[in-house]
Amino acid sequence: GAVVSQHPSWVICKSGTSVKIECRSLDFQATTMFWYRQFPKQSLMLMATSNEGSKATYEQGVEKDKFLINHASLTLSTLTVTSAHPEDSSFYICSASDSSIKFYEQYFGPGTRLTVT
Amino acid sequence: QQQVKQSPQSLIVQKGGIPIINCAYENTAFDYFPWYQQFPGKGPALLIAIRPDVSEKKEGRFTISFNKSAKQFSLHIMDSQPGDSATYFCAASIADSSYKLIFGSGTRLLVRP
Repeated sequence: GAVVSQHPSWVICKSGTSVKIECRSLDFQATTMFWYRQFPKQSLMLMATSNEGSKATYEQGVEKDKFLINHASLTLSTLTVTSAHPEDSSFYICSASDSSIKFYEQYFGPGTRLTVT
Repeated sequence: QQQVKQSPQSLIVQKGGIPIINCAYENTAFDYFPWYQQFPGKGPALLIAIRPDVSEKKEGRFTISFNKSAKQFSLHIMDSQPGDSATYFCAASIADSSYKLIFGSGTRLLVRP
């Protein structure tokens, strides 16, 4: 149980274009979803927290107009990187938690490798 | 105050050894301390977690030791295997912050055959 999927697993896009990453909870209702980015050999940095049906809460220093997060349902959240630039190339990972079970446990997706050329 | 400091940065042990990874925190409001294992190109997977009301928790070959007064916690891997070679992250979270995780910097573990 508690499986989280991400799509795509990797994506290459040209500078200036936008790319959307999907995060789905497959067997539970994700009342809260989190988005992280991870640079090579570094730790995970939280970008934003979203609750279903509410606007995302962004961490300090994360541009909310550049990283658009939508959590429209209890099983799906999307991250759209708008006007991507090479410095946005990173490993993006989502996680989800279910407040009806163990609200403090986060289940992570497999990650999406974004390369901006 | 929100940081979680993790050491060592890297660790090499022989098969069967017991690697120990340490983490320290300052914020006494943290009330949930998980450990994650991450393989290259994959998302982190929850290994084991502890709340501050217990001093030790074991799950299989993984043990967390928790010292509330010292604000430190550590992961011990018993009878380590080459398949345990991965990056390990400690983390901490607070109930009143949507349980968002603050991660340590990670420890790259290599278990030699």
